[in-house]
Amino acid sequence: DAKTTQPNSMESNEEEPVHLPCNHSTISGTDYIHWYRQLPSQGPEYVIHGLTSNVNNRMASLAIAEDRKSSTLILHRATLRDAAVYYCILRGVVRNFNKFYFGSGTKLNVKP
Amino acid sequence: DVKVTQSSRYLVKRTGEKVFLECVQDMDHENMFWYRQDPGLGLRLIYFSYDVKMKEKGDIPEGYSVSREKKERFSLILESASTNQTSMYLCASSYGTSGSEQFFGPGTRLTVL
Repeated sequence: DAKTTQPNSMESNEEEPVHLPCNHSTISGTDYIHWYRQLPSQGPEYVIHGLTSNVNNRMASLAIAEDRKSSTLILHRATLRDAAVYYCILRGVVRNFNKFYFGSGTKLNVKP
Repeated sequence: DVKVTQSSRYLVKRTGEKVFLECVQDMDHENMFWYRQDPGLGLRLIYFSYDVKMKEKGDIPEGYSVSREKKERFSLILESASTNQTSMYLCASSYGTSGSEQFFGPGTRLTVL
């Protein structure tokens, strides 16, 4: 199974950009890269996903390396509300069903 | 908004008890999932279901079973709870076979004494 590697924790200042890295060296050609985040005492929530090209949405940007073995989630201006655990996940297909492979995530601390 | 609800936020049970964790989603999603979350291990998939009465084992199904009698409801059953099943249990749902986003419930923190 493809897996992801993320730093255990990172720290950022409020209103500054944050780059959260993820390595997925065993990714297969059909695996999508997803990012979810989990705020304290809540279930994970979707942030963004992509396959090969960089992606932007209202929450974040996703930069995918050309060889797809790594990716970076970019929060353009961190707020205190962005303090959470961020999961980089690969979505594969197993017998025609989507399967998500969660790692341990990166705990982001945002300082005022 | 999609809503996934779980029957309890906190639950305390004794070793050997039969435990039912209930999950309900209100968006007519085909797929439903049960995960457990433990410190340092992230989320691990226990079981998932892609249709009523259909189920597939995830990565750690041992000690668990599931039931999906109605599309909106997915139950996780611990036949005989053990202390190593103390964990946070998360339910999720998603659209069809190509669904790209899973919607999670708030979780149930189960303690087995």
